Amino acid sequence: QVQLQESGPGLVKPSQTLSLSCTVSGASISSNRYYWSWIRQPAGQGLEWIGRLYSNGSTNYTPSLKSRVTISIDTSKNLFSLDLTSVTAADTAIYYCARVSGFRGHAFDIWGQGAMVTVSS
Amino acid sequence: QSVLTQPPSASGTPGQKVTISCSGSSSNIGSHTVNWYQLLPGTAPKLLIYTDNQRPSGVPGRFSGSKSGTSAALAIGGLQSEDEADYYCAAWDDSLNGWVFGGGTKLTVL
Repeated sequence: QVQLQESGPGLVKPSQTLSLSCTVSGASISSNRYYWSWIRQPAGQGLEWIGRLYSNGSTNYTPSLKSRVTISIDTSKNLFSLDLTSVTAADTAIYYCARVSGFRGHAFDIWGQGAMVTVSS
Repeated sequence: QSVLTQPPSASGTPGQKVTISCSGSSSNIGSHTVNWYQLLPGTAPKLLIYTDNQRPSGVPGRFSGSKSGTSAALAIGGLQSEDEADYYCAAWDDSLNGWVFGGGTKLTVL
């Protein structure tokens, strides 16, 4: 059974960098059958796609966050990570990691439970 | 403001059928398939429908999806109390070169 688990600080100060990891269990993150994404949900708002990562390390990011986001892979630990720089209160949200399946219409077929991150001094 | 448009709320009584709409444009729903997700507080979001109308294994048959032009819909038949959740549609958008979501619909089972 494939599971994803987000981890990282729940509180980040304004202007600092938000860093989260997503540990994948039950499947190899190096598989070419899937790729990986980060999605967030600010309180009281809808979902926002942040970016995607392929097993070869190539990435795509949403335009509004592109200048501040880096998604990277660590195949030795079977995890991928999100770094978001220069955060403000607007970056306070639940952050989800998800697997993307090409076999299921490139849908986010497995999600983590989410990590709540608050940006505050 | 979300790129895809969903009604903020929907409701029904147990056993009823409810339909949630999702409206987009030629750059997203009009060109790409639609997926639907169910969000319950404190739990991992769940894929309900992919490629417009396909159900992953384990999703009950009373959940169904459809698409026509630049709009899609999620239908839930035989409504049950455990269906009370937030539902989101999503599709790839060529203009943004990324996925876009609807604003979400909160379903209440009366």
